[in-house]
Amino acid sequence: QQPVQSPQAVILREGEDAVINCSSSKALYSVHWYRQKHGEAPVFLMILLKGGEQKGHEKISASFNEKKQQSSLYLTASQLSYSGTYFCGTRRGSQGNLIFGKGTKLSVKP
Amino acid sequence: EAQVTQNPRYLITVTGKKLTVTCSQNMNHEYMSWYRQDPGLGLRQIYYSMNVEVTDKGDVPEGYKVSRKEKRNFPLILESPSPNQTSLYFCASSLTTSRVGTDTQYFGPGTRLTVL
Repeated sequence: QQPVQSPQAVILREGEDAVINCSSSKALYSVHWYRQKHGEAPVFLMILLKGGEQKGHEKISASFNEKKQQSSLYLTASQLSYSGTYFCGTRRGSQGNLIFGKGTKLSVKP
Repeated sequence: EAQVTQNPRYLITVTGKKLTVTCSQNMNHEYMSWYRQDPGLGLRQIYYSMNVEVTDKGDVPEGYKVSRKEKRNFPLILESPSPNQTSLYFCASSLTTSRVGTDTQYFGPGTRLTVL
């Protein structure tokens, strides 16, 4: 079952914050976040395990709420380089397959 | 350099003409996967392979075949391509899927396929 991402698209000014959500109707083992710039391959950002873990990567962080089966990606003080499409991937077991959402297109304007 | 390579990068073909898109990784990864990406639909998995000689269907396997005879290679075969298979295709690999930290997927550069 494909996870559901929201919003589908967001436009920001440089320096603004954004939150991207990823939800599943099934219990999850891990959530994976990737970013894809136009015309390029997706690139790994971070992995979160069940247990409410929160991780950070520069000004990009994420959390995983196991009870809600939802992960949120937080982008603070956005930069032009943050523009791209963000995908969450979910895995239901330690050896389960990674299923991606449809993506959230983020555009950061000067 | 650790990488996933795909060939060709761009391909225009006609309906019914068999084609193969190659994928190769040099990281000794066990897990490999093929995705197609279409506007508004995200990354949809076609087939995946947990290891040599072990393959399984993803979400959209119809019209595709794969094989995994060697650990490093995972070709995608379209026996009789149709226009609805026009898409951007990505190959990806990860060390394993059994332990977090080893299941980061590395993507190839993509193959843009047009079937006329």
